[in-house]
Amino acid sequence: DQQVKQNSPSLSVQEGRISILNCDYTNSMFDYFLWYKKYPAEGPTFLISISSIKDKNEDGRFTVFLNKSAKHLSLHIVPSQPGDSAVYFCAARPNSGYALNFGKGTSLLVTP
Amino acid sequence: EPEVTQTPSHQVTQMGQEVILRCVPISNHLYFYWYRQILGQKVEFLVSFYNNEISEKSEIFDDQFSVERPDGSNFTLKIRSTKLEDSAMYFCASNPLATGTGELFFGEGSRLTVL
Repeated sequence: DQQVKQNSPSLSVQEGRISILNCDYTNSMFDYFLWYKKYPAEGPTFLISISSIKDKNEDGRFTVFLNKSAKHLSLHIVPSQPGDSAVYFCAARPNSGYALNFGKGTSLLVTP
Repeated sequence: EPEVTQTPSHQVTQMGQEVILRCVPISNHLYFYWYRQILGQKVEFLVSFYNNEISEKSEIFDDQFSVERPDGSNFTLKIRSTKLEDSAMYFCASNPLATGTGELFFGEGSRLTVL
């Protein structure tokens, strides 16, 4: 069962422009949502998170927006840089338990 | 910067063989996890471990799997009799607390290929 969905397997953006990565979830019992970034041959690296009681969290070039009524979150990267090219995973933590539910990932390519 | 380390980086084994994947979590962390990613699929939770016992496990983590913290530093995942479908990248992760944002620190992964 796919509780966390990333429907876009890939995204290509020009350097300097905004990258928007989307994620949908089906379970209302998540208390935190996280974004991870993964380069080839490396483990996922934490990027940014948001509590389910908030609708926005910002950290430098990265902003995560949460729309609980739509069960949707998005990661905005502004401005995008070539070093941002990686696979981005959306993850959600249930409010009972420790296991993160991951989406399938979106491969972002930022072109010069 | 402290990091989670995993060995081996790649292991090739024959179906039916036992495999042990090793992890050294970050030293002051208390919670340990194994996840796996089959090629082209999502990262899947296998098991979490705290205070020397399993705290949560998924349906994937059946009797063929076991985890152990044999000493103060290592955290191991054993697959007793490997199957072709066990071929995947296995990630170890840790965090200092179960509360907070749930941020996990992942190792670089161990690629298991079952022939």
